Formats: sequence, structure tokens, C-alpha cells
Amino acid sequence: RKEVEQDPGPFNVPEGATVAFNCTYSNSASQSFFWYRQDCRKEPKLLMSVYSSGNEDGRFTAQLNRASQYISLLIRDSKLSDSATYLCVAHSNYQLIWGAGTKLIIKP
Amino acid sequence: DAGVIQSPRHEVTEMGQEVTLRCKPISGHNSLFWYRQTMMRGLELLIYFNNNVPIDDSGMPEDRFSAKMPNASFSTLKIQPSEPRDSAVYFCASSRTGGAEAFFGQGTRLTVV
Repeated sequence: RKEVEQDPGPFNVPEGATVAFNCTYSNSASQSFFWYRQDCRKEPKLLMSVYSSGNEDGRFTAQLNRASQYISLLIRDSKLSDSATYLCVAHSNYQLIWGAGTKLIIKP
Repeated sequence: DAGVIQSPRHEVTEMGQEVTLRCKPISGHNSLFWYRQTMMRGLELLIYFNNNVPIDDSGMPEDRFSAKMPNASFSTLKIQPSEPRDSAVYFCASSRTGGAEAFFGQGTRLTVV
């Protein structure tokens, strides 16, 4: 079993819709969590950190459920420019454990 | 800040040749990571340096791979001899906080024919 698991997708979503993905992690000692975004043939870039209390950045909301060991990302009013692969990351000490990513395609 | 700088951006080489990838981390970052990304295996950590010292190289595939960080502003990843299965995108990333937020270079796309 992978340490961080994501549904690879692709999620095909119409523009304007709300989409959510989850990510599960196996190491309960993981200290912090992040969502990264990777565009095709580009490097991953930090999208947002994930806090126990949940956090929101514009149309994006991230939540952490430590009891069930998963994190989620919600995108509201999706835009064509949201099309990308979203990588879930668990951090423990120096280690960043990466999920394989969920591919999101927003259709006009 | 220029961000993490990698070179070359693209490399095509013949099997058996030596390949050297270069990375300049963000100034002030004390952690440096080399990753490899393929469609099949996703993003894999190859090696992690902290304050120029290799801390974890358990991800280095085999003895053909080696990495150095002679100073805080430069690191290399060398493959000798290269094989077609080494074809991938190699990313260098740096972090101020020991990995909590990593900034990636644009990657080197390696093709071994």
C-alpha cells in the first residue's frame, strides 16, 4: 500500500462546477500536509497548506481529517485554468511523501 | 529571487554515456532534494541534502547514480553509465524549513536512446 494515495482520475468537470478530491495517508505521524499543483510539462508548485482547522483560499478549500487520515481539496466555480494535476503531500521530519496526483480536466 | 535553477532543460544522450544534471537552489535554503518523475512511478525522491550533507540517499536507484553538493549554491546529479530506463524528468527542489515547503526548478527532461 502506498503511503499517500490519490485517485489518479482524470476528473472531467464542466466549467463552473464544484469538484472535490481526497487523499489518504498511512503514516499517522505525518506532521503537515500540502496540495501542490502541476501543469503539464511543468514543475509542481505549492497550491496550499492543509491545517487541522481547514483553510480556504479563494475558490479553494482544504481540510484535514486526522482521525480518518485523509485530506481533501475542494474547488468551487471551477475555471478552465484549473486544469492540472493536483498532488497531495504528507510531511514528516524532512520527508515529503508524494501522492501520484489527481488529474483534473475542466471542460467549457 | 530567480528561484531554483536547473540545467540543462533538455538532454538527449546515447546509452552508456555520462550525464550530469546541475542545480542551483534558492539562496538561503538549507535543504535540497533531487526527484525523478515518470508516468509510471510518479514523483520519486532520489536524494536529500541538508546543509550540503547527504542525509538520505535511499532513493538513488543504483550505483550508476551519484549526487554531490560541494557548496550551498550548487548540486549535481550524475548518471554513469546512462541507460534508456533512466529517461525521465529530473527535478531539483530546495526548502528553507527542511522540506515543509519545497520550491522546484523547471526540471531536466532526460532522454537516453
